Amino acid sequence: GESVGLHLPTLSVQEGDNSIINCAYSNSASDYFIWYKQESGKGPQFIIDIRSNMDKRQGQRVTVLLNKTVKHLSLQIAATQPGDSAVYFCAENPHGNNRLAFGKGNQVVVIP
Amino acid sequence: GAGVSQSPRYKVAKRGQDVALRCDPISGHVSLFWYQQALGQGPEFLTYFQNEAQLDKSGLPSDRFFAERPEGSVSTLKIQRTQQEDSAVYLCASSLGPKSYEQYFGPGTRLTVT
Repeated sequence: GESVGLHLPTLSVQEGDNSIINCAYSNSASDYFIWYKQESGKGPQFIIDIRSNMDKRQGQRVTVLLNKTVKHLSLQIAATQPGDSAVYFCAENPHGNNRLAFGKGNQVVVIP
Repeated sequence: GAGVSQSPRYKVAKRGQDVALRCDPISGHVSLFWYQQALGQGPEFLTYFQNEAQLDKSGLPSDRFFAERPEGSVSTLKIQRTQQEDSAVYLCASSLGPKSYEQYFGPGTRLTVT
């Protein structure tokens, strides 16, 4: 399939290292944030979400951090694996409802 | 099926032709969304259904774009008189209901207009 990662910021990480992907969001009204992973030729796949009343949420090998003061969201992936190679998108709900607005993607390349 | 399915996966249309893209959401999901994704970009919202009601169509780029979900399940996105700028991946997503914000995406339909 085609690459969705053309001309995207790219993070190259050694297999086994931790990855951190950052996202700046735009709207103070957003109260829900979500990270998606998209592999070439596939639709976005849910990774983890967080509501604005939290500043940290952990999943399996992933952690999302939310800093509302500076409107910043990050995704941490522990012990990055080759299967983590993909484009990662953050999204917010700027209208305070279930309509999502996606940020620019970040390409993660895992070096074996 | 366990996930959202879309058909066709690939569509090539000559400029000026009409196309219809189909989405089968996860069974029981009330909310359905259509997005357009240009190469190298994030998905852009097109329209939203709650059951059969189209509650938000503010993202549709022109009146050539039309979406329906007549029985509150399967949805069709129709593009009339396709133009080259319509070339993109069209993604469908569904979620359990209006208060459930976690959306599950299908694989998309890649539309190429020649």
